[in-house]
Amino acid sequence: GQSLEQPSEVTAVEGAIVQINCTYQTSGFYGLSWYQQHDGGAPTFLSYNALDGLEETGRFSSFLSRSDSYGYLLLQELQMKDSASYFCALNSGYSTLTFGKGTMLLVSP
Amino acid sequence: SAVISQKPSRDICQRGTSLTIQCQVDSQVTMMFWYRQQPGQSLTLIATANQGSEATYESGFVIDKFPISRPNLTFSTLTVSNMSPEDSSIYLCSVGPGLQETQYFGPGTRLLVL
Repeated sequence: GQSLEQPSEVTAVEGAIVQINCTYQTSGFYGLSWYQQHDGGAPTFLSYNALDGLEETGRFSSFLSRSDSYGYLLLQELQMKDSASYFCALNSGYSTLTFGKGTMLLVSP
Repeated sequence: SAVISQKPSRDICQRGTSLTIQCQVDSQVTMMFWYRQQPGQSLTLIATANQGSEATYESGFVIDKFPISRPNLTFSTLTVSNMSPEDSSIYLCSVGPGLQETQYFGPGTRLLVL
């Protein structure tokens, strides 16, 4: 099977940079995705890494290292609206996603 | 991108009853997915629904408990049968993949079973 580990909660202040780590165990996968979910809302796609390295999308960046079974999501210039849950997910093909338990990010003024 | 709607948005049901959740997409898609998210928890894939074939269920989920229909390329239903309080969850449908393997999620159906 597949499993992903990520911290349950991270706190930071506005304007700061925060990194949410994700380690995983799998026998094979196509890529690592990140989703954001505000309380009561639907998960929305943030980033995807098919290859090792850094992907940058505006204030959000994601990193993957297949050799270390590790990835992270980097959020820069934090805003209050970034307070949400963040999920890493393994893409196993045919759009099948296995999600981590999620990290709740609390951004304070 | 895809715009997905779900009905009902929430419901309170009595144990032993069944609820059918509808998912409508604004474009034709090959694959639709049903997920469950228990309060404060992660998302767990229930099944994959392809038009014209039977749904494929993940380990721990069975057709008798979660029958799925996929009558066309824009619509699917998930029924939660013979409900118990343990079925209280958010049920989400999704479609994909888009660019960068994006999955698009519906707003979810919040189910409380008493």
